[in-house]
Amino acid sequence: QLQLQESGPGLVKPSETLSLTCTVSGGSISSSTYYWGWIRQPPGKGLEWIGSIYYSGSTYYNPSLRSRVTISVDTSKNQFSLKLSSVTAADTAVYYCVRHSGMATPILPWGQGTLVTVSS
Amino acid sequence: ETVMTQSPGTLSVSPGERATLSCRASQSVSSNLAWYQQKPGQAPRLLIYGASTRATGIPARFSGSGSGTEFTLTISSLQSEDFAVYYCQQYHNWPPWTFGQGTKVEIK
Repeated sequence: QLQLQESGPGLVKPSETLSLTCTVSGGSISSSTYYWGWIRQPPGKGLEWIGSIYYSGSTYYNPSLRSRVTISVDTSKNQFSLKLSSVTAADTAVYYCVRHSGMATPILPWGQGTLVTVSS
Repeated sequence: ETVMTQSPGTLSVSPGERATLSCRASQSVSSNLAWYQQKPGQAPRLLIYGASTRATGIPARFSGSGSGTEFTLTISSLQSEDFAVYYCQQYHNWPPWTFGQGTKVEIK
C-alpha cells in the first residue's frame, strides 16, 4: 500500500525558504502513471493546491504561488520536494504531499501532513 | 481560475437523518469533481470522484450527483463517524485545481 510521509522543519523565519520532502514508500516515484503534488491548509481554513510534478520533471504550479515555488523529484531516493521562498506568516499551514494519476484526476492518497509555522 | 462555492457553511443534522451538501462552480467543470471528507487532525479522504463514483471502500450511504456547474453530495443516513468537514474539488480547469471552502456537518 502506497504511503507518503512529509518531513522538514516545523518552524521557518519570515523571508526565508520553506523546504519539505515527501518520502514515497510502497511504490515507485518513477512510475509513468502518476503525478506527485503538494497541497496546503492554513489552520482552520480550506485547501490550496500548490503544484505537482511528473516523474520526468514536468511541473505544474498554482499561478498565485508560481514565482516562489519549486517542486523537484529525486528518483534515486524515491522522494519529491517542495521549496517555497520568501515566506510570510500567511504561509503558515499544514502541508500535505499527495499523489494523483493525472492533472485531470482526483487526489489519492494524501500524506498525513506536516505543520509549518512561519515566525521569527 | 474556477471558483468553487459550497453551501451551507455548516449543516446541523441528527444521526440517521439525510444530509445534502451543495457545490457550485463558477464555470463548467464537466464531471471532473471530487468530494473529500476531513476529520480533525487528519488528512482529507477521497469519497467521490467523477461527480458520482464512490472511491474504494466508501459506504453506499454516500452518493454524488451533478455535472457542469452544480453538484450535490448526499449522505443518506448519517452515522456518528460522518460528522466532519466536506470539501469539493474541481480538476477540470487547471492550473490551478481549486477547492470549495468546505461544509461542516455537525451533530444537531
